[in-house]
Amino acid sequence: NAGVTQTPKFQVLKTGQSMTLQCAQDMNHEYMSWYRQDPGMGLRLIHYSVGAGITDQGEVPNGYNVSRSTTEDFPLRLLSAAPSQTSVYFCASSSGRSIIYEQYFGPGTRLTVT
Amino acid sequence: GENVEQHPSTLSVQEGDSAVIKCTYSDSASNYFPWYKQELGKRPQLIIDIRSNVGEKKDQRIAVTLNKTAKHFSLHITETQPEDSAVYFCAAHRRNTGTASKLTFGTGTRLQVTL
Repeated sequence: NAGVTQTPKFQVLKTGQSMTLQCAQDMNHEYMSWYRQDPGMGLRLIHYSVGAGITDQGEVPNGYNVSRSTTEDFPLRLLSAAPSQTSVYFCASSSGRSIIYEQYFGPGTRLTVT
Repeated sequence: GENVEQHPSTLSVQEGDSAVIKCTYSDSASNYFPWYKQELGKRPQLIIDIRSNVGEKKDQRIAVTLNKTAKHFSLHITETQPEDSAVYFCAAHRRNTGTASKLTFGTGTRLQVTL
């Protein structure tokens, strides 16, 4: 199993550009989530999904969209990139529909917005 | 919502000493408390977790304690080794109705184990 994969590993965007961060898992996990990691601020939840067709907002959802058309994939879309979105983004998945099980993180995407 | 505070932000110990990291949470409905370790440039990985019906849990050199009354939980690492050097994150999960299921993370503790 590849586990949780993310692409790209690095990305530089100009302000106003849009892009999609890809996340896929091959463990048949129902729960998937996106976090951003900024220095001194830990991991903050952006959006999450408890199954195909179901998504909900986390604590910092503004400027990001998600969809979950399949169990395996959970892409994160930046609609109009801003310098404040410079961060490291982690996708994670967990078995069941709750995160009271181990979360498996992807390798991360380092995004810089200039 | 839930608020998780983590202390200290940095911790330096000598090899073989013990390290303790403390977290407090605000929501008494929280029921699951995992700890994640993140080595430099790597992804976070679960090292131990505890549920609200348990006061203490051990796994070799690491242990976690939970005080529900005081709303705090701690990570204890004994006989520290250089490979324990990493950033450690605590988190709290609040039981919600419906589909809501979120983890709130602390801000992290950078542990440095010196020789």
